[in-house]
Amino acid sequence: GAGVSQSPSNKVTEKGKDVELRCDPISGHTALYWYRQSLGQGLEFLIYFQGNSAPDKSGLPSDRFSAERTGGSVSTLTIQRTQQEDSAVYLCASSLSGTVGEQYFGPGTRLTVT
Amino acid sequence: GNSVTQMEGPVTLSEEAFLTINCTYTATGYPSLFWYVQYPGEGLQLLLKATKADDKGSNKGFEATYRKETTSFHLEKGSVQVSDSAVYFCALRDNTNAGKSTFGDGTTLTVKP
Repeated sequence: GAGVSQSPSNKVTEKGKDVELRCDPISGHTALYWYRQSLGQGLEFLIYFQGNSAPDKSGLPSDRFSAERTGGSVSTLTIQRTQQEDSAVYLCASSLSGTVGEQYFGPGTRLTVT
Repeated sequence: GNSVTQMEGPVTLSEEAFLTINCTYTATGYPSLFWYVQYPGEGLQLLLKATKADDKGSNKGFEATYRKETTSFHLEKGSVQVSDSAVYFCALRDNTNAGKSTFGDGTTLTVKP
């Protein structure tokens, strides 16, 4: 079956612009996660959704970052007024539930802020 | 909070050499442990996992044993191939904390023919 998909695969934007990153999780997976992978570093947790609710937003680095999930499926991560330090690969993962089952990762969106 | 520390790279080996990548963790609760692999230009793939103490995860000739007493989950392979060249990430998932994963910084492995 289809895995986690993300779009766009690459995004180049100018500093100060807003960007939206999309994630389509595996069908039936109730839990969805956003991570950020900066160059040469591990993955940094950003936010977790269970259904359409976000019980854990603790990883969002600033109020410029927000995310939503609709219909228990697609999620959008929005970064407002982008800064150069936002440049990274943004990864989405889904799992069957928030406590059970492994996480399946999408291919990521590479964001470059110029 | 939870943390994962893995052996710094990069690691360069000759084909058929023995591989060990060390990973230790700190966690509350009873985490599950994972190794993920990221091949050049590709996304993260689950390599193997272990969900409780003394479990051994294995896949594609790689294996790792969940050692609660030493809080470790070292990755090993007896004979590496050029195709194993990738970045390897150790991670834990704390099932009492919304199931989010904590990752190590990754270890880059290059295998030369």
